[in-house]
Amino acid sequence: DTAVSQTPKYLVTQMGNDKSIKCEQNLGHDTMYWYKQDSKKFLKIMFSYNNKELIINETVPNRFSPKSPDKAHLNLHINSLELGDSAVYFCASSRSRVNTEAFFGQGTRLTVV
Amino acid sequence: AQTVTQSQPEMSVQEAETVTLSCTYDTSESDYYLFWYKQPPSRQMILVIRQEAYKQQNATENRFSVNFQKAAKSFSLKISDSQLGDAAMYFCAYRSGGGADGLTFGKGTHLIIQP
Repeated sequence: DTAVSQTPKYLVTQMGNDKSIKCEQNLGHDTMYWYKQDSKKFLKIMFSYNNKELIINETVPNRFSPKSPDKAHLNLHINSLELGDSAVYFCASSRSRVNTEAFFGQGTRLTVV
Repeated sequence: AQTVTQSQPEMSVQEAETVTLSCTYDTSESDYYLFWYKQPPSRQMILVIRQEAYKQQNATENRFSVNFQKAAKSFSLKISDSQLGDAAMYFCAYRSGGGADGLTFGKGTHLIIQP
């Protein structure tokens, strides 16, 4: 079983569309994250949820909205997609919000055309 | 804010040789954790090794070891007996002991293994 799984793996969409990326972890972890990897491979945290509560909300356009229906799921909804949103988006989880490593999903490559 | 610097955009090593990837970081905290992640062409982020700042002993995982110099804020990764499967992007990452900020990554080092 995949520990942290994201769907879809690839997403190609037109500018202006709204899309969602789903993430599920079966590790029983309390904390989940969204990271963005840009075209230069730089990874930066976007959001973090701990037990369904938002704890990190970096400077991200408000077109990006995370939703955590339960602590095993953290979805990312993006409104009015722009060309600059093209990137790889990684979901990750950790046992708690303190001093444990993060386990990553396989990433979703989003291409906005 | 913490920063992580990887000064080597690309490194190349002969198969079976040893290579060291550099990482420095800047922080005012005393409690933190450092990690090396590997990202092969498959895109998956794989944890290679982890070091707790309060531990003086350098972490080791099979062929992978670190040289952690806390005073110098340096955290290099040594890969011994390099294998073709080691070819990947390697990211150094920092996490505060409180964990509230998630992981801060360096820009990565692209490791090429020459057969």
